[in-house]
Amino acid sequence: NAGVTQTPKFQVLKTGQSMTLQCAQDMNHEYMSWYRQDPGMGLRLIHYSVGAGITDQGEVPNGYNVSRSTTEDFPLRLLSAAPSQTSVYFCASSRGGVGSYEQYFGPGTRLTVT
Amino acid sequence: GNSVTQMEGPVTLSEEAFLTINCTYTATGYPSLFWYVQYPGEGLQLLLKATKADDKGSNKGFEATYRKETTSFHLEKGSVQVSDSAVYFCALSREAAGNKLTFGGGTRVLVKP
Repeated sequence: NAGVTQTPKFQVLKTGQSMTLQCAQDMNHEYMSWYRQDPGMGLRLIHYSVGAGITDQGEVPNGYNVSRSTTEDFPLRLLSAAPSQTSVYFCASSRGGVGSYEQYFGPGTRLTVT
Repeated sequence: GNSVTQMEGPVTLSEEAFLTINCTYTATGYPSLFWYVQYPGEGLQLLLKATKADDKGSNKGFEATYRKETTSFHLEKGSVQVSDSAVYFCALSREAAGNKLTFGGGTRVLVKP
């Protein structure tokens, strides 16, 4: 199994450009999430989904959109990139339902906005 | 709201030294508690977890006990190795909140030979 995959690994954008970070999982997990990692701040939740067709905002959703048309894929869209969005982005997935299940993380996408 | 506080690093140790990383939390209800580890250039991996008070999670020589009375989940290892050099994150989740994770700021640990 590939687990959670993310593309691209690195990306440089100019302010105002848009792009989509891709995330896919092959574990048939119901829950998927996007986090950003900034120095000294741990990981903060951007958006999450508890199943296909269902998404909701996390702690820092502004400037990002998500959709979940299939169980496997959960892309993150940056609508108009800003330097404050320079960060490392992680996608994660886990089983749903009752119980605190392990979240599986992808390898991350390092984004720089100039 | 929920929050996690962990000691700031970096923590620099010699091989075979004892490691403790403090973690305290604030949460409503009864959260599950986790330690995740991030090795250089990689994503996060679950190290251990505990889902109720007095549970002890353990893995790879690391241990942490869920202390509800002190709202703490401190990570310990008796004898560290160079390969334990990584960033360690304490986190909590609540089932009622869709199992979303709230993370501490992370503690970088460097083990020198």
